[in-house]
Amino acid sequence: GAGVSQSPSNKVTEKGKDVELRCDPISGHTALYWYRQSLGQGLEFLIYFQGNSAPDKSGLPSDRFSAERTGGSVSTLTIQRTQQEDSAVYLCASSLVLGQVYGYTFGSGTRLTVV
Amino acid sequence: AQKVTQAQTEISVVEKEDVTLDCVYETRDTTYYLFWYKQPPSGELVFLIRRNSFDEQNEISGRYSWNFQKSTSSFNFTITASQVVDSAVYFCALSEASGGGNKLTFGTGTQLKVEL
Repeated sequence: GAGVSQSPSNKVTEKGKDVELRCDPISGHTALYWYRQSLGQGLEFLIYFQGNSAPDKSGLPSDRFSAERTGGSVSTLTIQRTQQEDSAVYLCASSLVLGQVYGYTFGSGTRLTVV
Repeated sequence: AQKVTQAQTEISVVEKEDVTLDCVYETRDTTYYLFWYKQPPSGELVFLIRRNSFDEQNEISGRYSWNFQKSTSSFNFTITASQVVDSAVYFCALSEASGGGNKLTFGTGTQLKVEL
């Protein structure tokens, strides 16, 4: 597609429920990144994919968070047993191979609210 | 470990004033990349500039200019003759060439408000 697409744009969920957030990167971009933006924490790195593998998962805050990428394209970030502190905007970015060389393109994010 | 500091949380200026947003970074790598992004109220991060650590030339793009100084580990951003449309949160970010997993480390952002 023309840009990085994220869905849903907004999600309200009850505490304890599982949620899935989707990222559709720019066609041909092999690298995909998830970030979280929350009040007081700024923009935090969560996980990075190169193709379908995740060389760096160091930012995932707990084992309730997981992500996968299939076909070198769409990625899904799953949060199990959501907590109120998970409320944030989840941003996805993609890049052509290496983001630092080719640049990162960000989506508009999914605003997650846990009530 | 890489770190980016944006000490200015919020800046308010009157339209047509010049404003400089500060960014100080920390890294052990000799090869790294620095970025500035703009986040308007719509929420999307808009890319403004990328510099690598070997290119210390200052850059000007219209009303925007960037001053990269390795000696002080700073990469400051100046908007000349600010406009209301410049109101946004601006993020400075760093990516190390090695060991950083190709990820961006962001500063906490500076909220710029430009008023009439």
